[in-house]
Amino acid sequence: AQKVTQAQTEISVVEKEDVTLDCVYETRDTTYYLFWYKQPPSGELVFLIRRNSFDEQNEISGRYSWNFQKSTSSFNFTITASQVVDSAVYFCALIGNDYKLSFGAGTTVTVRA
Amino acid sequence: GAVVSQHPSRVICKSGTSVKIECRSLDFQATTMFWYRQFPKQSLMLMATSNEGSKATYEQGVEKDKFLINHASLTLSTLTVTSAHPEDSSFYICSAREGRQAFFGQGTRLTVV
Repeated sequence: AQKVTQAQTEISVVEKEDVTLDCVYETRDTTYYLFWYKQPPSGELVFLIRRNSFDEQNEISGRYSWNFQKSTSSFNFTITASQVVDSAVYFCALIGNDYKLSFGAGTTVTVRA
Repeated sequence: GAVVSQHPSRVICKSGTSVKIECRSLDFQATTMFWYRQFPKQSLMLMATSNEGSKATYEQGVEKDKFLINHASLTLSTLTVTSAHPEDSSFYICSAREGRQAFFGQGTRLTVV
């Protein structure tokens, strides 16, 4: 069985601050995929990134960056120079051999102007 | 990316009635779709896995007679909440699998009064 842990329940920052969201996972599968999703107040899930277990390269996309460390089973997400529009709930998730998405509890990010 | 359309986005129904939610993959064929439920301020919990042409597989604790799932074609899965009660009020969201990627519908906010 898979398990995804997001230890941070809520994070509040002032605009332009950087914010890092932690994600730790557990799986016995050797092949798996990790995801980050954003859920704004409207409710829909917005896909941010997918990373497979064999690709440990860090990735940057605009103000977003991800740090995947297999040795510590972590897949952390950083928002640089945060903006009010970044306020949302962010979920880390994992797909293993059963193809079912296991979600973390989510981290609520509030960016204050 | 692939598009998954979920309808309706919001529904209010009276206690005791049934509600049907549709999930369609618009530009790809999805042999497997998943149904999740999300209570306020909580994470997404998998309810069931819907496989085209066969019976759905329900997660532990989910009543299959209450949450009827039909996956009649490669592009459509439906979730029917039967004899709805106020405690069924929740956010329901579907996802369609394409390979190791999951694409989500917009979600349906169900309110049972």
